[in-house]
Amino acid sequence: NAGVTQTPKFRILKIGQSMTLQCTQDMNHNYMYWYRQDPGMGLKLIYYSVGAGITDKGEVPNGYNVSRSTTEDFPLRLELAAPSQTSVYFCASSGLAGKPGHTGELFFGEGSRLTVL
Amino acid sequence: AQKITQTQPGMFVQEKEAVTLDCTYDTSDPSYGLFWYKQPSSGEMIFLIYQGSYDQQNATEGRYSLNFQKARKSANLVISASQLGDSAMYFCAMRGPVNQGGKLIFGQGTELSVKP
Repeated sequence: NAGVTQTPKFRILKIGQSMTLQCTQDMNHNYMYWYRQDPGMGLKLIYYSVGAGITDKGEVPNGYNVSRSTTEDFPLRLELAAPSQTSVYFCASSGLAGKPGHTGELFFGEGSRLTVL
Repeated sequence: AQKITQTQPGMFVQEKEAVTLDCTYDTSDPSYGLFWYKQPSSGEMIFLIYQGSYDQQNATEGRYSLNFQKARKSANLVISASQLGDSAMYFCAMRGPVNQGGKLIFGQGTELSVKP
């Protein structure tokens, strides 16, 4: 029962470096999401995807990019890391809401803690 | 625009007592969903309970129930018979219509501490 898997779990970056957070899910979910959680705060949506080849911006997309070439994978790219991107990043996936028995709840990965120094 | 508000940054409850965590929301869409998640100190997000906007009855899941008052736009979480393991952050979240990508917006969270 892998569910949603994120890697790496921890990473320290220097200002200006780039990296990719990997996310994969094995539940055949169409919808996938990236959130960030700053200390003591709720989750804010960075990007989301409703299916392979389709992505859209969330509330805080600046400084990030995503791609969705397969149903399973939804990597998040950080370009030119800045201290303001220090946060915990959560990937999540969801099945189709609105169908009987489907709440559309989000299934979350364990999170990736990123520090930019 | 949709909005979720949790006005209690922190709450204390005695073990075995019930506690209510407040959540209010704002939306102009008639179709929406309301969720509660638990985040223990280990950091993972745990789904607790769901209420659809058209559901006639309040949702219940074990010791969790959702007090859904549609006219007041509130979706409070009630935890009965609190346990020490209930100490965690609790987030209320709302999903808009299904054709808007199923994304959730989250409140700021309430930190619940259960006292022995």
